[in-house]
Amino acid sequence: DAMVIQNPRYQVTQFGKPVTLSCSQTLNHNVMYWYQQKSSQAPKLLFHYYDKDFNNEADTPDNFQSRRPNTSFCFLDIRSPGLGDAAMYLCATSMGQASYEQYFGPGTRLTVT
Amino acid sequence: RKEVEQDPGPFNVPEGATVAFNCTYSNSASQSFFWYRQDCRKEPKLLMSVYSSGNEDGRFTAQLNRASQYISLLIRDSKLSDSATYLCVVNRDDKIIFGKGTRLHILP
Repeated sequence: DAMVIQNPRYQVTQFGKPVTLSCSQTLNHNVMYWYQQKSSQAPKLLFHYYDKDFNNEADTPDNFQSRRPNTSFCFLDIRSPGLGDAAMYLCATSMGQASYEQYFGPGTRLTVT
Repeated sequence: RKEVEQDPGPFNVPEGATVAFNCTYSNSASQSFFWYRQDCRKEPKLLMSVYSSGNEDGRFTAQLNRASQYISLLIRDSKLSDSATYLCVVNRDDKIIFGKGTRLHILP
């Protein structure tokens, strides 16, 4: 029944070592989002895809990249993780942009050592 | 001023009581509004969309006041399981803005 799946649930990486987080969905939604959430803070949108169109938030560091090879999958690549990148990374989907509700995956908690 | 603001709380409320909290937004062009619930170390889950006419789902009532630019969430007959952080989300022109959330603790 899982609709938005994120793997792994917990990821430990070393400072500067590239890491990839994955998200898949069974909802056939057009839009997929990646958020970063740190403790006691609101989720911060990094970027989203509307179908194959990539939309980067202005303040998302270049260190964060994304790929969406097909409707179901979306990846978050962190090229050189720093200690400040330790956070929960949430993937979400929606049917369309803006006025549609979002469905979140369980998140990947990233630790950087 | 932040575009979406919420009282962070915590609101400590005895079980069975009614509790309400608001979320204010600064941009009058905001188009759609949602309440999400987030449990500790879990993902946000949609609680309800907020419609112009107001809407109710069981013990939960959401209202939108466009004139004063806020949305509200009312929880009646609160349960221990209502303890969570409640996130307000405001959408405008394909931009999605989350509030920082209001923490609610229901006390036995």
